[in-house]
Amino acid sequence: NAGVMQNPRHLVRRRGQEARLRCSPMKGHSHVYWYRQLPEEGLKFMVYLQKENIIDESGMPKERFSAEFPKEGPSILRIQQVVRGDSAAYFCASSPGTGLLGGYTFGSGTRLTVV
Amino acid sequence: DAKTTQPNSMESNEEEPVHLPCNHSTISGTDYIHWYRQLPSQGPEYVIHGLTSNVNNRMASLAIAEDRKSSTLILHRATLRDAAVYYCILRDRNNQGGKLIFGQGTELSVKP
Repeated sequence: NAGVMQNPRHLVRRRGQEARLRCSPMKGHSHVYWYRQLPEEGLKFMVYLQKENIIDESGMPKERFSAEFPKEGPSILRIQQVVRGDSAAYFCASSPGTGLLGGYTFGSGTRLTVV
Repeated sequence: DAKTTQPNSMESNEEEPVHLPCNHSTISGTDYIHWYRQLPSQGPEYVIHGLTSNVNNRMASLAIAEDRKSSTLILHRATLRDAAVYYCILRDRNNQGGKLIFGQGTELSVKP
């Protein structure tokens, strides 16, 4: 039973390019959460999605960032026109959703470096 | 979700017990206490959670004060692999699918 799979593990982009980060939740999990961790800082919530729906995007920057979780396939976090300040580790977590008060499962993250 | 307060850092010796405290004086009756940890260069990992009674699992024990305003994560025998940032998080049981809010956590270092 594979855990949460994130790819790529490392991503290097030049300023102005687009970054696409992928997250495949655990089997049977329909809820996905994205977090960002800047160097030497804590984990900041970005967005919470269910299949085909954005539930809570209160942590998403208003511009350049978007997320989706289609009916088929992984969840995608997309960053357009990246800037140096976007360099961070991006973590995805999944859960089965309601009825569970146990743990969320996190992936190993994608480390984005903007040069 | 209510706020938690943890020490910024703690040190431990290998093979000794570690007690990681967490204060949550504004906890509500429907808040569960969750602990996660983040090892270097990895994503967070669920450790344990509880409501009122003390809890044990293969990773750790959770001791909850009678008034629930504080709790302690106990690692019975610290190993070098336990060096991580430990996060204490409150989750409302009426918001089961909601996001986790991470504070600064406690950075635990383990000396050989």
